Amino acid sequence: EDQVTQSPEALRLQEGESSSLNCSYTVSGLRGLFWYRQDPGKGPEFLFTLYSAGEEKEKERLKATLTKKESFLHITAPKPEDSATYLCAVQNYNNNDMRFGAGTRLTVKP
Amino acid sequence: NAGVTQTPKFQVLKTGQSMTLQCAQDMNHEYMSWYRQDPGMGLRLIHYSVGAGITDQGEVPNGYNVSRSTTEDFPLRLLSAAPSQTSVYFCASSREFNTEAFFGQGTRLTVV
Repeated sequence: EDQVTQSPEALRLQEGESSSLNCSYTVSGLRGLFWYRQDPGKGPEFLFTLYSAGEEKEKERLKATLTKKESFLHITAPKPEDSATYLCAVQNYNNNDMRFGAGTRLTVKP
Repeated sequence: NAGVTQTPKFQVLKTGQSMTLQCAQDMNHEYMSWYRQDPGMGLRLIHYSVGAGITDQGEVPNGYNVSRSTTEDFPLRLLSAAPSQTSVYFCASSREFNTEAFFGQGTRLTVV
């Protein structure tokens, strides 16, 4: 069965303190791996899609990477406005199912 | 451009009642889906549709029905509400299966 595990569950950083969020996955056929950001009381907001191992994408202070077993979301010099829950999801090529991880709740203190 | 609109935002139901959560998108997206989000469990796919007239089950379809008569609308029906269906429900749409999904603001449903 497809599975997505995100770690850590929660992460507290000082402003400017870089770190990484992990998304480990098992899927029989990867159609795509997705990263979303979710603010409290809001729907998820799309960040990145990665399709194959070795692929990397960047947006402002965020960089997502992908291997055959995991993805990392690197946050460089974070700001308080980066505080949110970051969600990882994988889509299965064989059945079009979409599985989300439980998320990492990031807090960036000024 | 409204994106994905969900109604209502909040709802309280009694056990056994039925209701329909509404979802509409104005981006002419073919792919639409419904998720529920529970604490500590992440988003779980309930049903999805790849176009008008075509729907399929996701990970947790029991107790829910969907239909897709138009490209724009994808309502989710709770047939007989149960306390286990207390959750936050999100509707999403995307141009294709594996592309950026746009989510609505969610419906917080409580079943008592």
